[in-house]
Amino acid sequence: DQQVKQNSPSLSVQEGRISILNCDYTNSMFDYFLWYKKYPAEGPTFLISISSIKDKNEDGRFTVFLNKSAKHLSLHIVPSQPGDSAVYFCAATLYDKIIFGKGTRLHILP
Amino acid sequence: DVKVTQSSRYLVKRTGEKVFLECVQDMDHENMFWYRQDPGLGLRLIYFSYDVKMKEKGDIPEGYSVSREKKERFSLILESASTNQTSMYLCASSRLAGLYQETQYFGPGTRLLVL
Repeated sequence: DQQVKQNSPSLSVQEGRISILNCDYTNSMFDYFLWYKKYPAEGPTFLISISSIKDKNEDGRFTVFLNKSAKHLSLHIVPSQPGDSAVYFCAATLYDKIIFGKGTRLHILP
Repeated sequence: DVKVTQSSRYLVKRTGEKVFLECVQDMDHENMFWYRQDPGLGLRLIYFSYDVKMKEKGDIPEGYSVSREKKERFSLILESASTNQTSMYLCASSRLAGLYQETQYFGPGTRLLVL
């Protein structure tokens, strides 16, 4: 039973436009959410996070939105750049557990 | 600049062999983690450690053990490798405060093939 779901395996976005990556979760007790980005042949790198007591967190071009009633998390990248092409993992935590989604591969088109 | 290194980028082993995967971090982090990444399954936590000689099971510990004799080093051990342990193995570390709320820094990964 997947507790953290990224339903889109891949997404293609034109350079300069907005990329929106989605993540749904099932456990309302999750207290912290994170996004990691992974390039091929490299380990994931931390991108942005949000506590369950907030509904938005912004860091430069990256904004994460949390809708607790819908159990939905989204990452917005504006504007999208070629270097954003990567696999993005969302993750949710509760005490000593961390659950990652399967990832979404983002392609930024020239 | 945080650095997490893993002993091998690629490893080929035979079924039944004992396999050691080593991870070293240079930032004096208390927490260390081992994940595996498989296509269509994302990252799954195998084991983690929040202190020397301490270890906790993650979601998929079966078939694995770990060792943390020194703060900077966290080893993953496959006692008897099996083909279903063919995977990408990722090590990570983070500071103590808030097990996951502190950013995890990942190593480059070890791609293990078990024949």
